[in-house]
This record gives sequence, structure tokens and C-alpha cells, in this order.
Amino acid sequence: NAGVMQNPRHLVRRRGQEARLRCSPMKGHSHVYWYRQLPEEGLKFMVYLQKENIIDESGMPKERFSAEFPKEGPSILRIQQVVRGDSAAYFCASGGGTGELFFGEGSRLTVL
Amino acid sequence: GESVGLHLPTLSVQEGDNSIINCAYSNSASDYFIWYKQESGKGPQFIIDIRSNMDKRQGQRVTVLLNKTVKHLSLQIAATQPGDSAVYFCAVYSGAGSYQLTFGKGTKLSVIP
Repeated sequence: NAGVMQNPRHLVRRRGQEARLRCSPMKGHSHVYWYRQLPEEGLKFMVYLQKENIIDESGMPKERFSAEFPKEGPSILRIQQVVRGDSAAYFCASGGGTGELFFGEGSRLTVL
Repeated sequence: GESVGLHLPTLSVQEGDNSIINCAYSNSASDYFIWYKQESGKGPQFIIDIRSNMDKRQGQRVTVLLNKTVKHLSLQIAATQPGDSAVYFCAVYSGAGSYQLTFGKGTKLSVIP
């Protein structure tokens, strides 16, 4: 999983600000997944993207959250007008389409 | 939908003993299962996987057993070491074409030296 790069590793935001989390998949992988993990919980699926396409965003909150995976550059998970309940670890995973997913080290968002 | 549960949230074992971590899933169409290890402050690390056409798979010091009849899988770690201390998650794909990996809540394994 060392190949999936996420940044920032830690992010602190005040309520109402925006948070942007970035993910570069492993070399050769074109599938990117975002998961959220609350303390003491398992990971919850948020969104699945391929280059320039959102394949499944059924796990994303309907408002304030968006994700993209442009043709060039990393995948971005964007959270607008953050609230305290958004505080969590956000993990990105990449895969080559066979099912096996490799996770990054996560971005830990703290909302004050 | 799929739900994945673990039988024990915590497990303590003596160094050198074998560990068994259990997991139950709900969807009989689930066809691919993965165990992940997560150390504190890190991302999940792939340990071993198994597909539904198998009932056992072995890796280095780890074995995964799948019982489709009762929708149960387990992870066995032989000769548990302090470095095995972590939270272990089972994760399940629910059927052909599924790309949502559903995670259980995790079992925290503590190894007593």
C-alpha cells in the first residue's frame, strides 16, 4: 500500500471552511475509491471513480461532499462548509480492476 | 445490502500462540473476501484474500477459512508475534460486478509478550 499517496496526512479546519484531500493511486491503477473511518469503526465506502468518471457515489453525503479524478493529477475529495461530524480519517484506495485494493495512509481531518 | 460483523471486538493472545479472528457476513451472493490489518495511525494493509470457489487459503503464517454454508470466515495467525498487534478487518464484495467493499468493525489483537 506504500504506492497510494495521500495528502495532507493531517488537516485541521474550522467549521464552515473547506477541506480538500488528495490521492494519487498506485502506478498503473486507474480505479480510485474513497472510504471514511470514524473512531473505533470500520471503513465505510464513499465513492468509486475512474479517470474523469464517477462510477458510484452512493456512499457520499448528498450535500457538501464531492469527488473528482481528472485526466491528469490526483483524485480530490472535497468537503465544503465542514462541520464537526466530518472529523474522521479519509482513506483512498486504488485498484487495477481485479478487486484487490491497496490503501493509502489516510488523511485525518479534524474540524474545530 | 451487505452487513459484515465480527464476533469479538478485542482479542488478547500470548506471544507464540495461534490467533483466530472470526467474521460473519450476510449476503450469500458474496464472492470475494479480504482480510486487512490496520496499525494505529496507518491505512489498512492487505493480508490475504479468498474467493468463494475456495474454502481455505494459506499465506505466510496466515490462513483464511471460508464457510459459505454459515456465511463465516476466519483468519488464523500462527505463532503470533508482537508485530501482529493491530486491528484486523474482514471486508467483503457482494457478488458479481460489485465494487463496494463492505468492512466489518474490526477486532483489536493484542499480543502479550
